[in-house]
Amino acid sequence: GQQLNQSPQSMFIQEGEDVSMNCTSSSIFNTWLWYKQDPGEGPVLLIALYKAGELTSNGRLTAQFGITRKDSFLNISASIPSDVGIYFCAGSTSNTGKLIFGQGTTLQVKP
Amino acid sequence: SAVISQKPSRDICQRGTSLTIQCQVDSQVTMMFWYRQQPGQSLTLIATANQGSEATYESGFVIDKFPISRPNLTFSTLTVSNMSPEDSSIYLCSVGRQLNNEQFFGPGTRLTVL
Repeated sequence: GQQLNQSPQSMFIQEGEDVSMNCTSSSIFNTWLWYKQDPGEGPVLLIALYKAGELTSNGRLTAQFGITRKDSFLNISASIPSDVGIYFCAGSTSNTGKLIFGQGTTLQVKP
Repeated sequence: SAVISQKPSRDICQRGTSLTIQCQVDSQVTMMFWYRQQPGQSLTLIATANQGSEATYESGFVIDKFPISRPNLTFSTLTVSNMSPEDSSIYLCSVGRQLNNEQFFGPGTRLTVL
């Protein structure tokens, strides 16, 4: 089946540092989504991308839809302790509404 | 985005029993989904809950084990049947827009099977 490869698996950084994570696929996607999951909660949608090459920001978060349509990255600038959590990429290859999720990146921020 | 609630928020169950999880949305939605998130893992789609018809299950998931109901556009249930410890997971419902593939998740139900 289709898979998304998300990296890195985990990151432990100092407060104030920038963070970058990415997802790649062997298939072409028409939608890329980035979610954050806090402990004990469901995932929350951070950024949605719909066009190849699209670069979208949400506060300190920036994400891009790769030109090949097979990858996406998420950057977090000037990290703060509340950025701690698990970040998931998700993608769709059709308009069925179904998503495939990456394995997740666990982010820890040291104050 | 829609407000999504799930009941129960968590439960501890005995092997061989069944648990029904409810998902309620504050507005009518076209698409509803059920996911499983095993401990320390990512989300895996169980099925698409179709209003007024049988759910569409993903490979590896069957109706006998995970029966799903969706009587209207704001409510769905997932039953985890004949549970074993391997069913210990977080079960999440989500609602989606077919137009742009965005999905919004409920808070999840944390199930532990002893």
